[in-house]
Amino acid sequence: QKEVEQDPGPLSVPEGAIVSLNCTYSNSAFQYFMWYRQYSRKGPELLMYTYSSGNKEDGRFTAQVDKSSKYISLFIRDSQPSDSATYLCAMTPPSGNTGKLIFGQGTTLQVKP
Amino acid sequence: NAGVTQTPKFQVLKTGQSMTLQCAQDMNHEYMSWYRQDPGMGLRLIHYSVGAGITDQGEVPNGYNVSRSTTEDFPLRLLSAAPSQTSVYFCASSYRVAGELFFGEGSRLTVL
Repeated sequence: QKEVEQDPGPLSVPEGAIVSLNCTYSNSAFQYFMWYRQYSRKGPELLMYTYSSGNKEDGRFTAQVDKSSKYISLFIRDSQPSDSATYLCAMTPPSGNTGKLIFGQGTTLQVKP
Repeated sequence: NAGVTQTPKFQVLKTGQSMTLQCAQDMNHEYMSWYRQDPGMGLRLIHYSVGAGITDQGEVPNGYNVSRSTTEDFPLRLLSAAPSQTSVYFCASSYRVAGELFFGEGSRLTVL
């Protein structure tokens, strides 16, 4: 079993929809939780970064962490065609060293106009 | 400010050939990493470095070699290429422990 599980999709939604992307993990000692966005043929870029359980909001994006359930989510409100990308969850091992980030498989999202 | 620069962007090799993927960053980051990305597998860590002269293995190090002689550069060497090394390779850097990882645009390698 992988340490971090993420449904690869693809997920297709109409423009304006609310999107929910999720990851589960097995190691309760993971410390920092991140969401990266990767456009086709580009490198991943950091979208959201959280440490504690709860919600963190940034514009149309909300990251949610539930450490008791070992579950993290990314919500996208009013989704746009420009949100079409692969979304990767990532988390740091207990050492906290992000040189050793552990990634999910990535979920491919398509937002149709 | 170029960020993380990878070369080459594309490469085709024959089985058994060797080559070096170059990575350079101009952000004075201490931490640098190499990942490979394969369909359905996500990003897997090959090697990483916490500073000049210090390297360590990640999840899938076999068949790869790294060195870190300067803060800026972190080349990845394929010793004897195999078809299983066909992948997209990403170099990344970070300015501190638990900091944001900045990625290059990737190097697409095909081994025939």
